[in-house]
Amino acid sequence: QVQLVESGGGVVQPGRSLRLSCAASGFSFSNYGMHWVRQAPGKGLEWVAVIWYDGSDKFYADSVKGRFAISRDNSKNTLYLQMDSLRAEDTAVYYCAGYRREPADIWGQGTTVTVSS
Amino acid sequence: EIVMTQSPATLSVSPGERATLSCRASQSVSINLAWYQQKPGQAPRLLISLASTRATGIPGRFSGSGSGTEFTLTISSLQSEDFAVYYCQQHYNWPRTFGQGTKVEIK
Repeated sequence: QVQLVESGGGVVQPGRSLRLSCAASGFSFSNYGMHWVRQAPGKGLEWVAVIWYDGSDKFYADSVKGRFAISRDNSKNTLYLQMDSLRAEDTAVYYCAGYRREPADIWGQGTTVTVSS
Repeated sequence: EIVMTQSPATLSVSPGERATLSCRASQSVSINLAWYQQKPGQAPRLLISLASTRATGIPGRFSGSGSGTEFTLTISSLQSEDFAVYYCQQHYNWPRTFGQGTKVEIK
């Protein structure tokens, strides 16, 4: 079935790095643009980043620009989010979400990132 | 950045009643507006795209309307499974932005 499965979350100290992965199955991943969206505890949804279906373009939220990098490997059906210089305010559940045409209609279940000393 | 404002923050409705949720954009997004439903511990689920097009498998009691800066999500007769938080999102330009959500709770 159509599925996105995030992994790589965990507890990390401020200033450290973490890389999230999102494994896709059941659909043609290389034809889908992909987003990362996050949700801080008890808060609403915040868009983080997007990558075109072929990786040719990327956009970031101002809150993560210069610290986070989105990438993909279509041969592995996998999306990534490299998160550097992590801050307490980056603590959230991180979702990957895919779209053939906007808006995203395929979502993973999320992976939790906690930034704490 | 386009700011999305939802109202009310919380809506108390009895099962079987109609619920009307509003979403306002700080500038025109044409019809590039989506609605998502999120239940506790779950990922968001797409309900409506392009302001009024129901996503695959979404029941007919959900309908969306509006264009430009004013949008509405209507749930015609609330079922028990509809009590959740609803978010609007513009997909007109970057960065993509969400409203703060409307919680629909049982009255």
